[in-house]
Amino acid sequence: SQQGEEDPQALSIQEGENATMNCSYKTSINNLQWYRQNSGRGLVHLILIRSNEREKHSGRLRVTLDTSKKSSSLLITASRAADTASYFCACDNNAGNMLTFGGGTRLMVKP
Amino acid sequence: KAGVTQTPRYLIKTRGQQVTLSCSPISGHRSVSWYQQTPGQGLQFLFEYFSETQRNKGNFPGRFSGRQFSNSRSEMNVSTLELGDSALYLCASKRTSGNYNEQFFGPGTRLTVL
Repeated sequence: SQQGEEDPQALSIQEGENATMNCSYKTSINNLQWYRQNSGRGLVHLILIRSNEREKHSGRLRVTLDTSKKSSSLLITASRAADTASYFCACDNNAGNMLTFGGGTRLMVKP
Repeated sequence: KAGVTQTPRYLIKTRGQQVTLSCSPISGHRSVSWYQQTPGQGLQFLFEYFSETQRNKGNFPGRFSGRQFSNSRSEMNVSTLELGDSALYLCASKRTSGNYNEQFFGPGTRLTVL
């Protein structure tokens, strides 16, 4: 079973708008990571947030983590057509040896 | 540094055959993990190798196996292929920063079983 569940499954926005994706998980984590995947290709690591962190920024990306609610969100600000991709959250278990992925959010950014 | 490389990129096999996929991690990375991605099941962990030893295994049948060589390159093998094995197989190598691990993925091998 998947550790992370993402919401929404699909999101369509206009260029320039912000996109928010949410991830909920079931058990305790060591850290949570977000990845992007373009059209069935490999995964690109976006950002890692540790279990003792609440918020992290990287360029136009902002990730939050609420361990009490077992949830995380990824915000992409000022979206571009090139941001069109699937986005996955991945939970790193406490052993740190495997990732458990959510089902992903398909983001479409219209020019 | 060169990224994670996987060969071949595309593969077509028939039911009952076996297949071997290869993964070369980023230089200096000693951990290699394999994942299967299908439309129905999403991304699922297969196994992880570290220093030539399987350290963790997902919930897959014994037809799925792997190994790692002394240079950290890894191979995975699927025997007696079934139609449901059609998937994108992703390999990831890991850099350990303290207790927190970031994984870097290769482009994947797309396997089609006919």
